[in-house]
Amino acid sequence: LAKTTQPISMDSYEGQEVNITCSHNNIATNDYITWYQQFPSQGPRFIIQGYKTKVTNEVASLFIPADRKSSTLSLPRVSLSDTAVYYCRLTGGGNKLTFGTGTQLKVEL
Amino acid sequence: GAVVSQHPSRVICKSGTSVKIECRSLDFQATTMFWYRQFPKQSLMLMATSNEGSKATYEQGVEKDKFLINHASLTLSTLTVTSAHPEDSSFYICSAGQGMNTEAFFGQGTRLTVV
Repeated sequence: LAKTTQPISMDSYEGQEVNITCSHNNIATNDYITWYQQFPSQGPRFIIQGYKTKVTNEVASLFIPADRKSSTLSLPRVSLSDTAVYYCRLTGGGNKLTFGTGTQLKVEL
Repeated sequence: GAVVSQHPSRVICKSGTSVKIECRSLDFQATTMFWYRQFPKQSLMLMATSNEGSKATYEQGVEKDKFLINHASLTLSTLTVTSAHPEDSSFYICSAGQGMNTEAFFGQGTRLTVV
């Protein structure tokens, strides 16, 4: 069972870049790496997905090294509204679709 | 992007009664839907996987007779919490995908409170 490991919490200030790293040492060949954002009392929201190297969309970037044993979600210039829990997951392969502990990001003024 | 709608968003019921939660994929056909439960300040826990037209697959420790799942069409799955008890109070979330490991879109969640 592939497992993901993330920091439990991170603190930042408005305007800063935030990088959240997720470890997934047992990632399978056909696994994709997917990141979600969850606000209190809401379902998770898809942020970004990647397989290797770098993926960028309008809200975030995802960096994946060649060995794919980790990934880093990069949020440029965060604001207060980015305070949420961020989950990384391995999807698309044969792994059971479970969530890890997630990272509680707190953004302050 | 794809939209998954969950209803109701919150429900309060009396102990011993049953509650049904609906999960609909609004703009795509979801061959597979997933049901999660989330307790305060904890991560989502997968309860079961439902495939259209077949029986749901339940995770270890989840009582299939208590949490009835029906996935009768490609756009609707329902979770019925039968004979609810206060310990069933939780946040229930569904997600939908077009294959066994492809879910990426989640419903808004349902806050169930059993009194």
